[in-house]
Amino acid sequence: KQEVTQIPAALSVPEGENLVLNCSFTDSAIYNLQWFRQDPGKGLTSLLLIQSSQREQTSGRLNASLDKSSGRSTLYIAASQPGDSATYLCAVRSGGYQKVTFGIGTKLQVIP
Amino acid sequence: ETGVTQTPRHLVMGMTNKKSLKCEQHLGHNAMYWYKQSAKKPLELMFVYNFKEQTENNSVPSRFSPECPNSSHLFLHLHTLQPEDSALYLCASSQVEGMNTEAFFGQGTRLTVV
Repeated sequence: KQEVTQIPAALSVPEGENLVLNCSFTDSAIYNLQWFRQDPGKGLTSLLLIQSSQREQTSGRLNASLDKSSGRSTLYIAASQPGDSATYLCAVRSGGYQKVTFGIGTKLQVIP
Repeated sequence: ETGVTQTPRHLVMGMTNKKSLKCEQHLGHNAMYWYKQSAKKPLELMFVYNFKEQTENNSVPSRFSPECPNSSHLFLHLHTLQPEDSALYLCASSQVEGMNTEAFFGQGTRLTVV
């Protein structure tokens, strides 16, 4: 059974700092991994999708890496802004094409 | 806007009520999903529909009844719910398979059972 862990559970940083969010998964036989952000009481917004054959994806100030063999992904946020404050979720598609397993998320607060 | 619309955004219902949640996607996707998000827990997959056919029922109690009349619409019918069913219910859509199975989510329905 796939399990997804996100560390840290919460993170508070000053504006402008670069930061890394971590995601680990137990079964490395994945199809893809997706990072989302969720604002309080809202739905999920897709940030980046990394296919199992890829090592990283970039979008603006965001860079996500994937090391399938070690079961790890990182989301790097450059020059953080208060608007980046949200919960960041990692989701892994594996074990049957429709099965997506989520981590519990990392709650990020960027302080002005 | 993600292209996935859920209604209502908020719902308060009694344990004896019957209500329905609605999800609509305008992305041309052929897979739709219901998820439940409770406080301090990861999202839990409830149901999956591919091309209108249910392919996944993640041991969900029968008081939750999904319906998918076409690839663009998904409903979740609710009856005789329990207070512990209070949660954020999220709908998502994606392509069934292929290189790009990026999932897009609606804004969710905040359900409170009293």
